[in-house]
Amino acid sequence: GAVVSQHPSRVICKSGTSVKIECRSLDFQATTMFWYRQFPKQSLMLMATSNEGSKATYEQGVEKDKFLINHASLTLSTLTVTSAHPEDSSFYICSGGGRQTGNTIYFGEGSWLTVV
Amino acid sequence: AQRVTQPEKLLSVFKGAPVELKCNYSYSGSPELFWYVQYSRQRLQLLLRHISRESIKGFTADLNKGETSFHLKKPFAQEEDSAMYYCALRGNNAGNMLTFGGGTRLMVKP
Repeated sequence: GAVVSQHPSRVICKSGTSVKIECRSLDFQATTMFWYRQFPKQSLMLMATSNEGSKATYEQGVEKDKFLINHASLTLSTLTVTSAHPEDSSFYICSGGGRQTGNTIYFGEGSWLTVV
Repeated sequence: AQRVTQPEKLLSVFKGAPVELKCNYSYSGSPELFWYVQYSRQRLQLLLRHISRESIKGFTADLNKGETSFHLKKPFAQEEDSAMYYCALRGNNAGNMLTFGGGTRLMVKP
């Protein structure tokens, strides 16, 4: 099947700094990408939906100035956690799909963010 | 609003026993239902979708609109089935957005 690659898989950053997570679709054009957050032993919570070339749509309660999402091309979306705090520590997962995937959604490996 | 409920956080069975992972949903229209599986240290991957009406790795799931359920079943569990299973719903006006249930951890004991 199609592949979505996420990088980095693990990142540790200091409180107050910003960190960027990349999500790439390797063999298809992802017209839509989704960013999820998963707390330990909990389900995936959708943070935002991004369509290539337009602004992301954020779910209620997600600060768009804190979680900057850019979907500048059909194969790359980025999530930047700005001014990170320890409570932002979590597992972040991206997913994407498009016409080439028959609208099946494929998931990245996820990125563990630890803010110290 | 759309909602997916998986009532069991953990399901433990012995190898060879039947297994049923429950999933109930609420949605006013005609949804698409999916089961995703996440094996240890691996990414989420699609297991099956209701529109395909297929059996994958011995698992089947039937959409019951009357009961608004989409339970995942396998007649004889294998140890390699141990994983996290997520039921997900896509509404007909939601683009490709998926709403996930809380997940059920399946443990198959030898």
